[in-house]
Amino acid sequence: DSGVTQTPKHLITATGQRVTLRCSPRSGDLSVYWYQQSLDQGLQFLIQYYNGEERAKGNILERFSAQQFPDLHSELNLSSLELGDSALYFCASSPLAGPTDTQYFGPGTRLTVL
Amino acid sequence: DAKTTQPPSMDCAEGRAANLPCNHSTISGNEYVYWYRQIHSQGPQYIIHGLKNNETNEMASLIITEDRKSSTLILPHATLRDTAVYYCIVRVAAGGGADGLTFGKGTHLIIQP
Repeated sequence: DSGVTQTPKHLITATGQRVTLRCSPRSGDLSVYWYQQSLDQGLQFLIQYYNGEERAKGNILERFSAQQFPDLHSELNLSSLELGDSALYFCASSPLAGPTDTQYFGPGTRLTVL
Repeated sequence: DAKTTQPPSMDCAEGRAANLPCNHSTISGNEYVYWYRQIHSQGPQYIIHGLKNNETNEMASLIITEDRKSSTLILPHATLRDTAVYYCIVRVAAGGGADGLTFGKGTHLIIQP
């Protein structure tokens, strides 16, 4: 158990819909990262937040957005969902924002878009 | 971050040492080598990292060649629970932005009973 929690574990929805994935980082960690893992693209970094502020962006689509709240939990919002958005979404956290900070991953949310 | 090359798959007998190679011939002097693993659809798990010296922790050992162009992750006594995809990742140590990890395809290690 990494100490990172994600809800829900599974989510099934239809094309065109909007969903919100939630992540609670390990106690004391200030950075949160979001990753997407699909069969064809592998594990891809989407976005990072540090202490409430956006820190870095990866391959995140404009239909996707995220935020980190004062209590440091984070939410990833996916809108206008397409079949290709079906994937595992992982959240990770680290103590600070340094590039050598170890990232601890949550169990993931499996999103299925029908 | 430098690119890494790993074999797509490897087998190892249970109880034996599993040696997973990684080539990172374009690594820079300020880049660390990190290893993560992912057990079937679970979240990736940190294993170990190093800069130029060999490192050991309770999970594994990391051997980095003197020229730093390759490394080997060693699981000393592999068990069936070590079956997973192992990712070798090179990360800049300082000076850059703190973006996410870049995962390649990794090595699918299968531990045989």
